[in-house]
Amino acid sequence: EPEVTQTPSHQVTQMGQEVILRCVPISNHLYFYWYRQILGQKVEFLVSFYNNEISEKSEIFDDQFSVERPDGSNFTLKIRSTKLEDSAMYFCASSDSTGGVRWDSYNSPLHFGNGTRLTVT
Amino acid sequence: AQTVTQSQPEMSVQEAETVTLSCTYDTSESDYYLFWYKQPPSRQMILVIRQEAYKQQNATENRFSVNFQKAAKSFSLKISDSQLGDAAMYFCARGSQGNLIFGKGTKLSVKP
Repeated sequence: EPEVTQTPSHQVTQMGQEVILRCVPISNHLYFYWYRQILGQKVEFLVSFYNNEISEKSEIFDDQFSVERPDGSNFTLKIRSTKLEDSAMYFCASSDSTGGVRWDSYNSPLHFGNGTRLTVT
Repeated sequence: AQTVTQSQPEMSVQEAETVTLSCTYDTSESDYYLFWYKQPPSRQMILVIRQEAYKQQNATENRFSVNFQKAAKSFSLKISDSQLGDAAMYFCARGSQGNLIFGKGTKLSVKP
Protein backbone atom coordinates (compact mmCIF):
# COMPACT_ATOMS: atom_id res chain seq x y z
CA GLU A 1 0.00 0.00 0.00
CA PRO A 2 1.36 3.46 -0.89
CA GLU A 3 2.64 5.49 2.02
CA VAL A 4 3.42 9.06 2.91
CA THR A 5 7.09 9.21 3.86
CA GLN A 6 8.73 11.84 6.02
CA THR A 7 12.38 12.60 6.60
CA PRO A 8 14.16 12.89 8.92
CA SER A 9 12.43 10.94 11.66
CA HIS A 10 14.10 13.12 14.28
CA GLN A 11 15.65 16.56 13.87
CA VAL A 12 17.50 18.46 16.56
CA THR A 13 18.21 22.13 15.96
CA GLN A 14 19.28 25.16 17.90
CA MET A 15 16.93 28.02 18.61
CA GLY A 16 17.03 30.59 15.82
CA GLN A 17 18.12 28.14 13.17
CA GLU A 18 16.18 27.35 10.02
CA VAL A 19 14.83 23.84 9.60
CA ILE A 20 13.23 22.08 6.64
CA LEU A 21 11.02 19.07 7.14
CA ARG A 22 10.51 16.88 4.11
CA CYS A 23 7.60 14.79 2.96
CA VAL A 24 6.87 12.62 -0.05
CA PRO A 25 3.09 12.35 -0.41
CA ILE A 26 1.34 9.47 -2.11
CA SER A 27 2.00 9.89 -5.82
CA ASN A 28 -1.53 10.39 -7.16
CA HIS A 29 -2.64 12.65 -4.31
CA LEU A 30 -3.36 16.31 -4.94
CA TYR A 31 -4.01 17.74 -1.44
CA PHE A 32 -1.19 18.07 1.05
CA TYR A 33 -1.21 19.01 4.70
CA TRP A 34 1.02 19.69 7.66
CA TYR A 35 -0.08 19.06 11.22
CA ARG A 36 1.84 19.24 14.45
CA GLN A 37 1.50 17.58 17.83
CA ILE A 38 3.21 19.08 20.84
CA LEU A 39 4.13 16.30 23.25
CA GLY A 40 1.10 15.17 25.22
CA GLN A 41 -1.28 17.44 23.38
CA LYS A 42 -3.68 17.08 20.49
CA VAL A 43 -2.85 17.13 16.82
CA GLU A 44 -3.25 20.61 15.34
CA PHE A 45 -3.76 21.66 11.74
CA LEU A 46 -1.11 23.94 10.29
CA VAL A 47 -1.68 24.29 6.57
CA SER A 48 -3.24 22.73 3.50
CA PHE A 49 -1.81 23.00 0.00
CA TYR A 50 -3.41 22.42 -3.37
CA ASN A 51 -2.51 23.31 -6.92
CA ASN A 52 0.82 24.82 -5.83
CA GLU A 53 -0.64 27.23 -3.35
CA ILE A 54 -1.82 27.36 0.23
CA SER A 55 -5.56 26.71 0.39
CA GLU A 56 -5.94 27.17 4.13
CA LYS A 57 -3.78 27.86 7.15
CA SER A 58 -4.25 28.07 10.89
CA GLU A 59 -3.25 30.78 13.35
CA ILE A 60 -0.18 28.72 14.21
CA PHE A 61 1.12 29.04 10.66
CA ASP A 62 2.64 32.50 10.95
CA ASP A 63 5.33 34.22 8.88
CA GLN A 64 8.00 31.93 10.30
CA PHE A 65 6.47 29.01 8.45
CA SER A 66 6.39 28.31 4.74
CA VAL A 67 5.57 25.35 2.53
CA GLU A 68 6.80 24.41 -0.88
CA ARG A 69 6.42 21.71 -3.47
CA PRO A 70 9.80 22.10 -5.16
CA ASP A 71 9.30 19.24 -7.59
CA GLY A 72 6.69 16.64 -8.50
CA SER A 73 7.25 14.49 -5.45
CA ASN A 74 8.40 16.45 -2.39
CA PHE A 75 6.40 18.69 -0.08
CA THR A 76 8.39 20.66 2.48
CA LEU A 77 7.72 22.67 5.62
CA LYS A 78 10.27 25.34 6.48
CA ILE A 79 10.57 27.08 9.81
CA ARG A 80 12.78 30.12 9.35
CA SER A 81 13.89 30.86 12.88
CA THR A 82 12.97 28.08 15.26
CA LYS A 83 11.75 28.75 18.77
CA LEU A 84 11.69 26.42 21.75
CA GLU A 85 7.93 26.13 21.46
CA ASP A 86 8.27 24.77 17.92
CA SER A 87 9.42 21.48 19.45
CA ALA A 88 6.77 18.98 18.41
CA MET A 89 5.97 16.06 16.18
CA TYR A 90 5.21 17.29 12.67
CA PHE A 91 2.96 15.16 10.50
CA CYS A 92 2.59 15.41 6.77
CA ALA A 93 -0.60 14.09 5.18
CA SER A 94 -2.04 13.77 1.71
CA SER A 95 -5.35 12.90 0.11
CA ASP A 96 -6.64 12.44 -3.39
CA SER A 97 -9.49 14.22 -5.06
CA THR A 98 -12.03 13.12 -7.64
CA GLY A 99 -12.80 16.66 -8.62
CA GLY A 100 -11.64 20.22 -8.39
CA VAL A 101 -13.78 21.22 -5.45
CA ARG A 102 -12.13 21.36 -2.05
CA TRP A 103 -14.86 19.28 -0.51
CA ASP A 104 -13.90 16.38 -2.76
CA SER A 105 -10.71 16.00 -0.78
CA TYR A 106 -12.81 14.04 1.68
CA ASN A 107 -13.76 11.39 -0.80
CA SER A 108 -10.67 9.72 0.52
CA PRO A 109 -9.29 10.17 4.01
CA LEU A 110 -6.05 11.83 4.90
CA HIS A 111 -3.06 9.51 4.86
CA PHE A 112 -0.50 10.53 7.43
CA GLY A 113 3.23 9.99 7.42
CA ASN A 114 5.13 8.67 10.44
CA GLY A 115 6.05 12.17 11.50
CA THR A 116 9.25 14.09 12.17
CA ARG A 117 10.12 14.79 15.77
CA LEU A 118 11.58 18.28 15.95
CA THR A 119 13.55 19.20 19.05
CA VAL A 120 14.63 22.82 19.43
CA THR A 121 17.34 23.39 22.04
CA ALA B 1 -16.18 27.40 18.62
CA GLN B 2 -15.51 24.38 16.46
CA THR B 3 -14.34 21.85 19.01
CA VAL B 4 -13.97 18.12 19.40
CA THR B 5 -14.18 16.74 22.92
CA GLN B 6 -12.99 13.38 24.17
CA SER B 7 -14.01 13.16 27.79
CA GLN B 8 -12.06 10.01 28.63
CA PRO B 9 -8.30 10.67 28.92
CA GLU B 10 -7.68 6.97 29.59
CA MET B 11 -9.62 3.75 29.18
CA SER B 12 -8.80 0.14 29.90
CA VAL B 13 -10.29 -3.05 28.49
CA GLN B 14 -9.70 -6.74 28.99
CA GLU B 15 -8.49 -8.64 25.97
CA ALA B 16 -11.44 -10.04 23.93
CA GLU B 17 -13.88 -7.65 25.62
CA THR B 18 -15.65 -4.64 24.13
CA VAL B 19 -14.86 -1.01 24.84
CA THR B 20 -16.50 2.24 23.75
CA LEU B 21 -14.64 5.51 23.38
CA SER B 22 -16.73 8.66 23.44
CA CYS B 23 -16.47 11.79 21.34
CA THR B 24 -18.63 14.86 21.01
CA TYR B 25 -18.16 17.80 18.74
CA ASP B 26 -19.49 21.21 18.01
CA THR B 27 -20.19 22.52 14.54
CA SER B 28 -22.60 24.77 12.71
CA GLU B 29 -22.05 22.97 9.42
CA SER B 30 -24.39 20.37 7.95
CA ASP B 31 -21.87 18.56 5.76
CA TYR B 32 -18.73 17.20 7.34
CA TYR B 33 -16.86 13.99 8.02
CA LEU B 34 -15.93 12.34 11.29
CA PHE B 35 -12.88 10.18 11.83
CA TRP B 36 -11.23 8.01 14.41
CA TYR B 37 -7.45 7.79 14.17
CA LYS B 38 -5.22 5.43 16.11
CA GLN B 39 -1.75 6.49 17.23
CA PRO B 40 0.39 3.61 18.55
CA PRO B 41 3.69 4.25 20.38
CA SER B 42 5.36 4.56 16.98
CA ARG B 43 3.45 7.91 16.72
CA GLN B 44 2.08 7.09 13.26
CA MET B 45 -1.49 8.30 12.67
CA ILE B 46 -3.59 5.43 11.33
CA LEU B 47 -7.14 5.88 10.11
CA VAL B 48 -9.48 3.48 11.90
CA ILE B 49 -12.88 4.47 10.59
CA ARG B 50 -14.74 7.40 9.11
CA GLN B 51 -18.35 8.55 8.89
CA GLU B 52 -20.00 10.95 6.49
CA ALA B 53 -22.37 13.23 8.39
CA TYR B 54 -25.09 13.00 5.76
CA LYS B 55 -25.26 9.20 6.09
CA GLN B 56 -27.50 7.88 8.84
CA GLN B 57 -26.07 4.38 8.75
CA ASN B 58 -23.27 3.84 11.23
CA ALA B 59 -19.91 2.98 9.70
CA THR B 60 -18.34 -0.41 10.43
CA GLU B 61 -14.83 -1.72 9.76
CA ASN B 62 -14.35 -5.28 11.00
CA ARG B 63 -14.13 -5.08 14.82
CA PHE B 64 -14.58 -1.30 14.81
CA SER B 65 -17.93 0.41 14.61
CA VAL B 66 -19.31 3.82 15.43
CA ASN B 67 -22.47 5.12 17.03
CA PHE B 68 -23.16 8.37 15.23
CA GLN B 69 -25.85 10.58 16.74
CA LYS B 70 -25.96 13.67 14.54
CA ALA B 71 -28.54 15.59 16.55
CA ALA B 72 -26.56 15.04 19.72
CA LYS B 73 -23.26 15.66 17.89
CA SER B 74 -21.90 12.43 19.28
CA PHE B 75 -19.56 9.98 17.56
CA SER B 76 -18.44 7.08 19.73
CA LEU B 77 -16.13 4.26 18.70
CA LYS B 78 -16.82 0.67 19.71
CA ILE B 79 -14.00 -1.85 19.60
CA SER B 80 -15.19 -5.43 19.81
CA ASP B 81 -13.04 -8.44 20.70
CA SER B 82 -10.21 -6.16 21.83
CA GLN B 83 -6.70 -7.26 20.97
CA LEU B 84 -3.36 -6.35 22.53
CA GLY B 85 -2.47 -4.52 19.32
CA ASP B 86 -5.40 -2.16 19.85
CA ALA B 87 -3.51 -0.46 22.68
CA ALA B 88 -2.84 3.10 21.50
CA MET B 89 -3.99 6.69 21.65
CA TYR B 90 -7.26 7.17 19.83
CA PHE B 91 -8.12 10.55 18.36
CA CYS B 92 -11.54 11.64 17.22
CA ALA B 93 -11.54 14.26 14.46
CA ARG B 94 -14.02 16.28 12.48
CA GLY B 95 -13.23 17.43 9.00
CA SER B 96 -14.55 20.10 6.73
CA GLN B 97 -13.15 22.79 4.45
CA GLY B 98 -9.78 21.21 4.12
CA ASN B 99 -8.57 20.57 7.62
CA LEU B 100 -9.22 18.25 10.55
CA ILE B 101 -9.97 19.31 14.09
CA PHE B 102 -8.80 16.72 16.59
CA GLY B 103 -9.81 15.91 20.12
CA LYS B 104 -7.22 15.52 22.87
CA GLY B 105 -7.24 11.76 22.59
CA THR B 106 -8.06 8.73 24.72
CA LYS B 107 -5.29 6.39 25.77
CA LEU B 108 -6.53 2.82 25.51
CA SER B 109 -4.83 0.04 27.45
CA VAL B 110 -5.60 -3.61 26.74
CA LYS B 111 -5.06 -6.08 29.56
CA PRO B 112 -4.11 -9.67 28.69
